[in-house]
Amino acid sequence: LAKTTQPISMDSYEGQEVNITCSHNNIATNDYITWYQQFPSQGPRFIIQGYKTKVTNEVASLFIPADRKSSTLSLPRVSLSDTAVYYCLVGDRGAAGNKLTFGGGTRVLVKP
Amino acid sequence: NAGVTQTPKFRILKIGQSMTLQCTQDMNHNYMYWYRQDPGMGLKLIYYSVGAGITDKGEVPNGYNVSRSTTEDFPLRLELAAPSQTSVYFCASSYSAAGGEQYFGPGTRLTVT
Repeated sequence: LAKTTQPISMDSYEGQEVNITCSHNNIATNDYITWYQQFPSQGPRFIIQGYKTKVTNEVASLFIPADRKSSTLSLPRVSLSDTAVYYCLVGDRGAAGNKLTFGGGTRVLVKP
Repeated sequence: NAGVTQTPKFRILKIGQSMTLQCTQDMNHNYMYWYRQDPGMGLKLIYYSVGAGITDKGEVPNGYNVSRSTTEDFPLRLELAAPSQTSVYFCASSYSAAGGEQYFGPGTRLTVT
């Protein structure tokens, strides 16, 4: 089971780019990297998933280096509404439920 | 589609009482999950199901029971509630397994006093 390590918190300002790095040194060959966003009093929401190199969608980009031992979620030009907790998960997409765990996440605070 | 719905939104239980948290999804997902989230912490998996009639324990199953008689419903039963079960409970579902995209419900905030 791949363990992930993320910063506990990050502060940013509106309009800036926020980059959150997740370490996963023991990632397995079949593992994907998935990021979720959680607002207060809501359930987590899927942001992006990737296996290697770069993945981009309308919300974020995910950068994964060749060794896959870390990944970086990039949020371009954040706004106040991007204040949330961001979770990095690593696991086989075909994994049973008990093969994935949510860590403590990174609390991102966007200031005006 | 309503997605994943949970009832109730809030509940206060006395120690020793029992209750069932309801979870329903209308996306025809085979996989469903129950998580709990304590204040300021990440989510911990309680139970999960890979299809109707099949359930299995997660990380923190003690004090809980589940059943999965239909694809849509995945109720979580608390027997003999304890203060340690005070938490926010989230139900989720996914088309593929847990490593794929999970869709979460709005949560049930439970207080046991």
